Amino acid sequence: HVQLVQSGAEVKKPGASVKVSCKASGYTFTSSYMHWLRQAPGQGLEWMGIINPSGGTYYAQRFQGRVTMTRDMSTGTVYMDLTSLRSEDTAVYYCARGEDYFDYWGQGTLITVSS
Amino acid sequence: EIVLTQSPATLSVSPGERATLSCRASQSVGTNLAWYQHKPGQAPRLLIFGSSTRATDIPARFSGSGSGTEFTLTISSLQSEDFAVYYCQHYNNWPPGTFGQGTKVDIK
Repeated sequence: HVQLVQSGAEVKKPGASVKVSCKASGYTFTSSYMHWLRQAPGQGLEWMGIINPSGGTYYAQRFQGRVTMTRDMSTGTVYMDLTSLRSEDTAVYYCARGEDYFDYWGQGTLITVSS
Repeated sequence: EIVLTQSPATLSVSPGERATLSCRASQSVGTNLAWYQHKPGQAPRLLIFGSSTRATDIPARFSGSGSGTEFTLTISSLQSEDFAVYYCQHYNNWPPGTFGQGTKVDIK
């Protein structure tokens, strides 16, 4: 069965970077789209970007220049790297599979940005 | 940019009752709309895609309808496990990640 397993929670200082991983199993990784989304405390879901089956990426405008999404085909893992962290980046980050809608989600990774 | 507006913000319902949630798009999205259930500390779960198609293993008490700009998620008889926040999302254009602000369904 399809599983997306994310890395654990992290605490970062303002200005630092964070890299969150999402390991996929139970389906053909090479043919799937993977998205990253986040939910800040008390807020709704916010889409950050996508990596497609060819490895191409597209990022939401507000994250351009700060986010990089990559994948490791050998391990079936997708990564989301977010730089220049600020307190407003404190959120639960999710990976989610799908081209248009999101049929499977990771369990979420809490990233706390605090001095 | 297409904006999705969900109503009400909070819906208080007794177990066994029917819940009707609304999602309105600022312009037509055809039937390119999905619904998700989100419980605290859990990953969101896809309920409905294509406006009315239930996702895998979703109980029949969940149904979706609508097209264009008006959409409805109906939970026919609320169970205890259904109290959660529900989001709609459209994928009529690129990128596909526009969500409504959510409707919280809580116990009356």
